[in-house]
Amino acid sequence: GENVEQHPSTLSVQEGDSAVIKCTYSDSASNYFPWYKQELGKGPQLIIDIRSNVGEKKDQRIAVTLNKTAKHFSLHITETQPEDSAVYFCAASKPRNYGQNFVFGPGTRLSVLP
Amino acid sequence: KAGVTQTPRYLIKTRGQQVTLSCSPISGHRSVSWYQQTPGQGLQFLFEYFSETQRNKGNFPGRFSGRQFSNSRSEMNVSTLELGDSALYLCASSLGLVSDLKETQYFGPGTRLLVL
Repeated sequence: GENVEQHPSTLSVQEGDSAVIKCTYSDSASNYFPWYKQELGKGPQLIIDIRSNVGEKKDQRIAVTLNKTAKHFSLHITETQPEDSAVYFCAASKPRNYGQNFVFGPGTRLSVLP
Repeated sequence: KAGVTQTPRYLIKTRGQQVTLSCSPISGHRSVSWYQQTPGQGLQFLFEYFSETQRNKGNFPGRFSGRQFSNSRSEMNVSTLELGDSALYLCASSLGLVSDLKETQYFGPGTRLLVL
């Protein structure tokens, strides 16, 4: 089945710096890659996603890049702010007829230091 | 628009008991998915319901079951509870089938279950 690895497990950056989180997946049938942010005591919140027909997507300070050949995708956060501190999860998903979908990475705890 | 609501927020049970968790999706959303979140295993997909039918299922034992009502509200049941079932159980809703990769899912705050 699908396996999603995520690195680093923890990341500390100074406010204003950039943060990059990387994920790799194993199943070439996966074609949808969302990123979620989870704050303490809350459920995950979708922050950006990308589909396999696109190599890059950007939304203000957040961007995601996808390399289907290498089976990895990355989250980029620029000009980080203290409110970006949270746990970030990547996920890989494939169409329903391929079986179980939505496999999540183990998460990255991001701390933005003021 | 109100978000996904889950009840109860916290629950303590003992081994062998059974538990029912409830999820009310965002108004108009017809798909409800359930996930288990633990420190050791992370976020794991349990199942997805759409129009009162289970459309997709993760790799969990038969002790984990669910159902969806005509108003799209969903319940999840865990029977014969084990210590390892202690987790945060998250519900997510979407307009259509998330597993068709056409819809975004929105998560609720979760129900934290502790099994003693």
